[in-house]
Amino acid sequence: QSVLTQPPSVSGAPGQRVTISCTGSSSNIGAGYDVHWYQQLPGAAPKLLIYGDNNRPSGVPDRFSGSKSGTSASLAITGLQADDEADYYCQCYDSTLSGLFGGGTKVTVL
Amino acid sequence: QVQLQESGPGLVKPSETLSLTCTVSVDSMRSYYWSWIRQPPGKGLEWIGYVYNSGGTRTNPSLKSRVTISLDTSKKQFSLKLSSVSAADTAVYYCARLRRGDYAFDYWGQGVLVTVSA
Repeated sequence: QSVLTQPPSVSGAPGQRVTISCTGSSSNIGAGYDVHWYQQLPGAAPKLLIYGDNNRPSGVPDRFSGSKSGTSASLAITGLQADDEADYYCQCYDSTLSGLFGGGTKVTVL
Repeated sequence: QVQLQESGPGLVKPSETLSLTCTVSVDSMRSYYWSWIRQPPGKGLEWIGYVYNSGGTRTNPSLKSRVTISLDTSKKQFSLKLSSVSAADTAVYYCARLRRGDYAFDYWGQGVLVTVSA
């Protein structure tokens, strides 16, 4: 069981907005460490989607955004598209486990 | 453009040692941590550990006694050895670059499936 908790799945119709939560603790997100998000398309390696809580690497559409408050973080996808269908993982440094990942959330476009 | 490529056997027998190498296309391996992550079939990501330019390492406590990560900057490679493997170690193994400061994995290899089976 991951120390960062994500919902197993979320879904939405094309064009809608979906959010994915990531709940941690005082030893990771709550300690102020940066939260990052990764997108893993089927059969592919994960790709950095959001870094430092709410920053997008070059080439990532502004439909993707991140936020953080207390011991939780969220990823929002607006204007949902068919090719957003993927697994999404949050990740944060932890005082005992440097590369801590959430359990992953499968996004389904209805 | 930064590129990482894993290589190694795709099949390992139970109780033996899994060995993988990651070859990196970068100007320098300094200033970053070089990491291994795995993903069992149909499951989530698990951080294994990382090595940095002094050769120091940090590993997942759940795997620590079985993991060795090493670095060869002259070859621009880093390696993973996982001893005493079992079927539970069957996974896609990724190498990735880990940024100091914010601990983000910014570049990943394509991954290699390693199956543990007799």
